[in-house]
Amino acid sequence: GQNIDQPTEMTATEGAIVQINCTYQTSGFNGLFWYQQHAGEAPTFLSYNVLDGLEEKGRFSSFLSRSKGYSYLLLKELQMKDSASYLCAVRDLPNAGNMLTFGGGTRLMVKP
Amino acid sequence: DAGVIQSPRHEVTEMGQEVTLRCKPISGHDYLFWYRQTMMRGLELLIYFNNNVPIDDSGMPEDRFSAKMPNASFSTLKIQPSEPRDSAVYFCASSPVVGGGNNEQFFGPGTRLTVL
Repeated sequence: GQNIDQPTEMTATEGAIVQINCTYQTSGFNGLFWYQQHAGEAPTFLSYNVLDGLEEKGRFSSFLSRSKGYSYLLLKELQMKDSASYLCAVRDLPNAGNMLTFGGGTRLMVKP
Repeated sequence: DAGVIQSPRHEVTEMGQEVTLRCKPISGHDYLFWYRQTMMRGLELLIYFNNNVPIDDSGMPEDRFSAKMPNASFSTLKIQPSEPRDSAVYFCASSPVVGGGNNEQFFGPGTRLTVL
């Protein structure tokens, strides 16, 4: 089975940096995804990690440690529009197709 | 591309009625997923298809739920009879074949279902 944990809520200040952690315990591993979901909207893809290390994409970076079952999403230079839920999702082994198991999501509130 | 299309966007129905949700995946995508999202349970996978064939339906809550994919461009999720606890946002997502790499899932706008 899959178990994915992330904090329920976080608050940060505009212009600051915030790190959203995700830990997972899965029977297999074939990649970790981060999605952003604004209230009332669909999740949209942010980042993908399959090897250990940091992937940087503009203001957003994602880190993975497979041995620790740990990932984080780093958001820099926070903007008000970054207020959203951030979902961590794990893809199982290749023979499980492209099925993802999602964590409960972290609701981030950015304050002025 | 228009992205994943879902209809209706909102559905309000009474307990006991049949509900049918529809999805058109992105053209060329081999995988189609149905999810349900609630505040209490988050985003849950209900069922997914590969090349129109159901692969894993272990997330379907009970026999009241059924899903079909008659062709590569259309899928339905049916609830019969509906109950108030089925109230949620139902998302459809599609993705290309997993050949290594990203192969992210693209989500539709969702159907917000309210069962009174």
